[in-house]
Amino acid sequence: QSALTQPPSASGSLGQSVTISCTGTSSDIGSFNYVSWYQQHPDKAPKLMVYDVSQRPSGVPDRFSGSKSGNMAFLTVSGLQAEDEADYYCSSYAGSNNLVFGGGTKLTVL
Amino acid sequence: EVQLLESGGGLVQPGGSLTLSCAVSGFTFSNYAMSWIRQAPGKGLEWVSAISGSGGSTYYADSGKGRFTISRDNSKNTLYLHMNSLRVEDTAVYYCARAPPRGARIVAAGFDYWGQGTLVTVSS
Repeated sequence: QSALTQPPSASGSLGQSVTISCTGTSSDIGSFNYVSWYQQHPDKAPKLMVYDVSQRPSGVPDRFSGSKSGNMAFLTVSGLQAEDEADYYCSSYAGSNNLVFGGGTKLTVL
Repeated sequence: EVQLLESGGGLVQPGGSLTLSCAVSGFTFSNYAMSWIRQAPGKGLEWVSAISGSGGSTYYADSGKGRFTISRDNSKNTLYLHMNSLRVEDTAVYYCARAPPRGARIVAAGFDYWGQGTLVTVSS
């Protein structure tokens, strides 16, 4: 399975919104509503931010939202805060109990 | 409080073997599928392997098929990853992670709790 494609970097100013894309194929994102997004701060374990395309786990601020269109998924972070600066990874179920991750996007808050 | 604690990482020569452990607490271990995910230095995440709550079903990424074996001991609340024929490219931080229930699609919902990881370095 090939990795999902994410832009290496994204940025936004404090208080603004930013959207990170995740491009897959008809075999993963396009076939299943099982896209997840993770936030990872340096030297920390990843944290689940969104699952099942658009669901947020308890405790995740509603500033984080997920969506999907065709073979692409999106994570939008609204009202950017300094602590949102981190790496973000998407993942998608790819059938037959296989999972693929994206290469990661480094989000910078200006 | 849900906790996952990996151990067993270290330096191993190419072709060698290593077994990682993940001790969990704070939830009913046997009710959850578990996975191993790795991250090479400075690189992204890569799913490695998954096992059902009972241990009866196991799944592997192509990178570990035939070399890695995932297992669990529900009486000890512990997950394992036995790695054989290690290669330089297996060098990574290995995380264990819990998978929320999704029926037979045990990796579909992603991972809601992660350990802090254990570093495996394969080098001569």
